[in-house]
Amino acid sequence: QVQLVESGGGLVKPGGSLRLSCAVSGFTFSDYYMTWIRRAPGKGLEWVSYISSSGSTIYYADSVKGRFTVSRDNAKNSLNLQMNSLRAEDTAVYYCARGIYDNSGYDFWGQGTLVTVSS
Amino acid sequence: AIQMTQSPSARSASVGERVTITCRASQGIRNELGWYQQIPGKAPKLLIYAASTLQSGVPSRFSGSGFGTEFTLTISSLQPEDFATYYCLQDYNYPWTFGQGTKVEIK
Repeated sequence: QVQLVESGGGLVKPGGSLRLSCAVSGFTFSDYYMTWIRRAPGKGLEWVSYISSSGSTIYYADSVKGRFTVSRDNAKNSLNLQMNSLRAEDTAVYYCARGIYDNSGYDFWGQGTLVTVSS
Repeated sequence: AIQMTQSPSARSASVGERVTITCRASQGIRNELGWYQQIPGKAPKLLIYAASTLQSGVPSRFSGSGFGTEFTLTISSLQPEDFATYYCLQDYNYPWTFGQGTKVEIK
């Protein structure tokens, strides 16, 4: 069955870095585009980043552009999010999600990993 | 960026009641809109994609409609497990944007 499992969250000081990973199984990873979405405490969902199936097309939300880098390793079935220059407002649960094949939308999600940016 | 205006922000409803949630896009997005349900402490769950296509495994009491700028999610008969927050998401144009969310609460 399709599974997405995030890891790498934790407590980090402002200005610090974290690397999130999303390990996937149960489907041909290289066929699907992927995304990162977050939910800050008390707030709604916010789209963070998109990466195409091959990794050739990447988009970021303005709020993270220049600080976050998304990547994927199709051989290792892994999606990553390198987060640098972290700010308090980056505190959130981060979810990876799989794009719907041949359509728009996200059909499978990980359970989320909590990132807390605080001194 | 395309703005998604979702209403209402909260809705009190009883079990068995019909609930309608609306999302309005600031520009046309064809049918590239999805509806997601989030229960506290859990990951979001896809209910509807392409504005009106029911995701596999989602109960038929959920339905979606709309095209262009106006979209609707309808729950025909609210069940206890439906009390949650609902979001629309447009992925027609980068950056993808969510509506603000609608919290459906027990009356």
